[in-house]
Amino acid sequence: RKEVEQDPGPFNVPEGATVAFNCTYSNSASQSFFWYRQDCRKEPKLLMSVYSSGNEDGRFTAQLNRASQYISLLIRDSKLSDSATYLCVVNPPPGRRALTFGSGTRLQVQP
Amino acid sequence: NAGVTQTPKFQVLKTGQSMTLQCAQDMNHEYMSWYRQDPGMGLRLIHYSVGAGITDQGEVPNGYNVSRSTTEDFPLRLLSAAPSQTSVYFCASRPLSNQPQHFGDGTRLSIL
Repeated sequence: RKEVEQDPGPFNVPEGATVAFNCTYSNSASQSFFWYRQDCRKEPKLLMSVYSSGNEDGRFTAQLNRASQYISLLIRDSKLSDSATYLCVVNPPPGRRALTFGSGTRLQVQP
Repeated sequence: NAGVTQTPKFQVLKTGQSMTLQCAQDMNHEYMSWYRQDPGMGLRLIHYSVGAGITDQGEVPNGYNVSRSTTEDFPLRLLSAAPSQTSVYFCASRPLSNQPQHFGDGTRLSIL
């Protein structure tokens, strides 16, 4: 089983739609979690951290469910500019040093 | 605000040539890493380092060497380039604490 798993998509949604991505992780001792956005052939960029209580940044909401070992990203009122690949990232538990990236979920917002 | 700087941005090599991809960060981050990303694929970890003098292998280390003589620099060496190493290479850094990772712009490498 992969350490971090994401639905690769693509998710094709119309402008204005609400879309949600999930990401599951296998190590229950994982410490911290992030969502990154990657545009085609560009470097990944931090979208937001994921906090235990859930957090929101404008149209984006991230949540963590430690019991079920998944994180989620909700995008409301999708814009064309939201089209990208969304990567979830899991920081390792103490003693392990390598970050683990999901393979990414591709979002295509259509006019 | 330099952040993570990678050079060169583009490179074409012939099979069998060697070269070094440079990566430097000015944020005093302990952790640095190299990834490769093939078309339509996710990031794969090549090598990483948790501080000067300490390096470790990632998922796909074969054909690559790294060293970490200073906190700032983490060069990636291709020993004998092969067409299978054609890829986009990203360097990243972060503090060892639970903070996010910062990426360089990438090096687009083609091996003929």
